Amino acid sequence: DAGVIQSPRHEVTEMGQEVTLRCKPISGHDYLFWYRQTMMRGLELLIYFNNNVPIDDSGMPEDRFSAKMPNASFSTLKIQPSEPRDSAVYFCASTTGNSYNSPLHFGNGTRLTVT
Amino acid sequence: AQSVSQHNHHVILSEAASLELGCNYSYGGTVNLFWYVQYPGQHLQLLLKYFSGDPLVKGIKGFEAEFIKSKFSFNLRKPSVQWSDTAEYFCAVTTTAGNKLTFGGGTRVLVKP
Repeated sequence: DAGVIQSPRHEVTEMGQEVTLRCKPISGHDYLFWYRQTMMRGLELLIYFNNNVPIDDSGMPEDRFSAKMPNASFSTLKIQPSEPRDSAVYFCASTTGNSYNSPLHFGNGTRLTVT
Repeated sequence: AQSVSQHNHHVILSEAASLELGCNYSYGGTVNLFWYVQYPGQHLQLLLKYFSGDPLVKGIKGFEAEFIKSKFSFNLRKPSVQWSDTAEYFCAVTTTAGNKLTFGGGTRVLVKP
């Protein structure tokens, strides 16, 4: 199994630009999570999906952030417009069944730098 | 909502020393507990988990953790660390109230050779 695949690995962009982060979960996993990791706040859950449907987006910082999961094998996290404070590592994770007791499988993350 | 606290932000120790990382959670109901590890430049990986049964759980690479329900704690231990254990360690919890995995702030461990 290839694991959770995220792209790009690194993204450097200027303030005001649109940024799109991509994630391919492990085949067969029906839960997908987007996390953000910063030195100040640690790991924060932004949003998660179950069977492609957003279940909880309470962690999404503001309207500039949006996430979609058009099918079971693909999800995007979009920031428009981006700001320097969005600089962080964004992780996608997936799991199967009841995520209450199923460990998450994380991707390698996308390191976003907004200048 | 549940929350997780990790007491130590940074730990520095020498090889062969013993390691114990504290983790406390706040939630009155049934929980599942996890420790994840993030090696430098890598993604998070599961170290061990507790769902039920024996409160002393053993994970990979010689790590173990003990669930003490009365103290709402799930401390991670390793009797003798190696340089390769240098990483950031995250405690996490899920509850029956939802499917969210809530992480603690992490503890950076540096093992000096």
